Amino acid sequence: QVTLRESGPALVKPTQTLTLTCTFSGFSLNTSEMCVSWVRQPPGKALEWLALIDWDDDKYYSTSLKTRLTISKDTSKNQVVLTMTNMDPVDTATYYCVRIPGHDVGAFDIWGQGTMVTVSS
Amino acid sequence: DIQMTQSPSTLSASVGDRVTITCRASQSISSWLAWYQQKPGKAPKLLIYKASSLESGVPSRFSGSGSGTEFTLTISSLQPDDSATYYCQQYDSQWTFGQGTKVEIK
Repeated sequence: QVTLRESGPALVKPTQTLTLTCTFSGFSLNTSEMCVSWVRQPPGKALEWLALIDWDDDKYYSTSLKTRLTISKDTSKNQVVLTMTNMDPVDTATYYCVRIPGHDVGAFDIWGQGTMVTVSS
Repeated sequence: DIQMTQSPSTLSASVGDRVTITCRASQSISSWLAWYQQKPGKAPKLLIYKASSLESGVPSRFSGSGSGTEFTLTISSLQPDDSATYYCQQYDSQWTFGQGTKVEIK
């Protein structure tokens, strides 16, 4: 069974750096074409893609947020970490970790339950 | 960046109705389009990938069609459990979601 679980602080202050960890099971990021990505959703708003890392350690970032984001992986721990710098109240959202199983599907087939992050002083 | 526009933003229909949601891309994305269903307080669920491929376990009343810039998600016979918000997503060039369509049951 494939699962992903997000973890990180529920509350961060403005200007701080957010670090989120995605711990997954049931698949390996060493498998060809496998990818893990991050998506967020502000309360009552639409989904927004943030970043993606693939099995070959290639990294992709949202154009609008790329100066603030860093994604990395630790395949030995089955974890993907996202950092976002200079947090602002508009970054308040539920953050999801998702899997892309390969080019044949290409879409986000398995989602974590999400973790709510509030940015407030 | 590729923009995705969904219509309508909300729709209300009766159980058994045929429902269609449209998604338009700002440039051609071939068939690199997915549809997701999201219920309140839950993570989205993949319904359709590559514009028309039904994800395993998804009821056959859901179908997708289209290519290039115009796509549709059809629910052939609306069921009470289909009350949700539906999002399209392109993955031809990076990944972009539409703004969502909320489907309500009359």
